[in-house]
Amino acid sequence: AQTVTQSQPEMSVQEAETVTLSCTYDTSESDYYLFWYKQPPSRQMILVIRQEAYKQQNATENRFSVNFQKAAKSFSLKISDSQLGDAAMYFCAYRSVRGGSEKLVFGKGTKLTVNP
Amino acid sequence: GAVVSQHPSWVICKSGTSVKIECRSLDFQATTMFWYRQFPKQSLMLMATSNEGSKATYEQGVEKDKFLINHASLTLSTLTVTSAHPEDSSFYICSADTGTSGYEQYFGPGTRLTVT
Repeated sequence: AQTVTQSQPEMSVQEAETVTLSCTYDTSESDYYLFWYKQPPSRQMILVIRQEAYKQQNATENRFSVNFQKAAKSFSLKISDSQLGDAAMYFCAYRSVRGGSEKLVFGKGTKLTVNP
Repeated sequence: GAVVSQHPSWVICKSGTSVKIECRSLDFQATTMFWYRQFPKQSLMLMATSNEGSKATYEQGVEKDKFLINHASLTLSTLTVTSAHPEDSSFYICSADTGTSGYEQYFGPGTRLTVT
């Protein structure tokens, strides 16, 4: 079974600075999707960024980018120019692509605090 | 696009009663819906996967007779907590799968259940 590990329960960053959240995963599959979800205090899950395993190029969405190291099974999230609104729980998630609608496997999350 | 709603957003019920939570995909057809439970400061725990017109698949350790899931149409899934007890108090989140869109799941805003 696949597992996702987020080794940083909490992180903090100064406003306008850059922070990197770590995520590692374990799988025997070669094709899959990886996601970073944000959960603000409202508790609405928001997709931040998505990476397809067969794509070597790292995904980027505005201030958010990932460092995807397939061989190392690592998928870190970099937030540049951090803003107060970035404060939230961040969850890394894995999803298999075999056979249709597979479930998401979540890490335990990293709580990000942004200091003004 | 791809909006998922949940109703109610919060509910308080007395111990021993049953409560139903609805999850609707508003602008797309969801062949698969997922139900999660989230305790404070913890990650999402998948309870079950439901496919339209068929029985739900429950995760190990989840009581099927207590958490009844019905996926009667491509836009509606319901979770009924039967004979609720205080330990069932939690935050319940549903998500829906379009079957396309890069394997993304779209999440509802969640329902906070308090059993007194």
